Amino acid sequence: DAGVIQSPRHEVTEMGQEVTLRCKPISGHNSLFWYRQTMMRGLELLIYFNNNVPIDDSGMPEDRFSAKMPNASFSTLKIQPSEPRDSAVYFCASSLISTSGHYNEQFFGPGTRLTVL
Amino acid sequence: QQQVKQSPQSLIVQKGGISIINCAYENTAFDYFPWYQQFPGKGPALLIAIRPDVSEKKEGRFTISFNKSAKQFSLHIMDSQPGDSATYFCAASPYNYGQNFVFGPGTRLSVLP
Repeated sequence: DAGVIQSPRHEVTEMGQEVTLRCKPISGHNSLFWYRQTMMRGLELLIYFNNNVPIDDSGMPEDRFSAKMPNASFSTLKIQPSEPRDSAVYFCASSLISTSGHYNEQFFGPGTRLTVL
Repeated sequence: QQQVKQSPQSLIVQKGGISIINCAYENTAFDYFPWYQQFPGKGPALLIAIRPDVSEKKEGRFTISFNKSAKQFSLHIMDSQPGDSATYFCAASPYNYGQNFVFGPGTRLSVLP
């Protein structure tokens, strides 16, 4: 299994530009999570999807952030317009949650390091 | 109440020593407590996890100790090795359908050879 795939691995952009981060979860997983990691705030959950439906987006910092999951094998996190304070490492993770709610491991991708100048 | 506190922020241990990282939580709805290990440039990976129906779980050199009444849990790494040098995150989640994890701020462990 290739694991969770994220692209790009590194992104450098200028303030005001639109940024799109991409994630391919592990095949067969039904839940997908977007996290942001910074030195100041640690690892924060931004949004998670279950069966392609957003369940909790309370961690999305502002309306400039949006996430979509058009199908079970692809998700995007978009920032528009980007700001320097958005600079962070963004992780995507996926998991298989059974209908009984039994816990399963979240598998993290390698992350996208975003720098907004 | 959603916060998970973690200490120390950084830890230096000699090879062969015991590394201990502590976490505390407030939300009594939390009932799943995983530990994740992260190497530089990589995503976090599950190391070991515990439910509060047991007070201890051991996997190889890694042990979680759990104190439900104190709402505290800790990770012990026995016979620490330089390859264990990484950042360790504790996390907590309520038993719900979403597995909404709350992560601690992390502990950077350095094991000296």
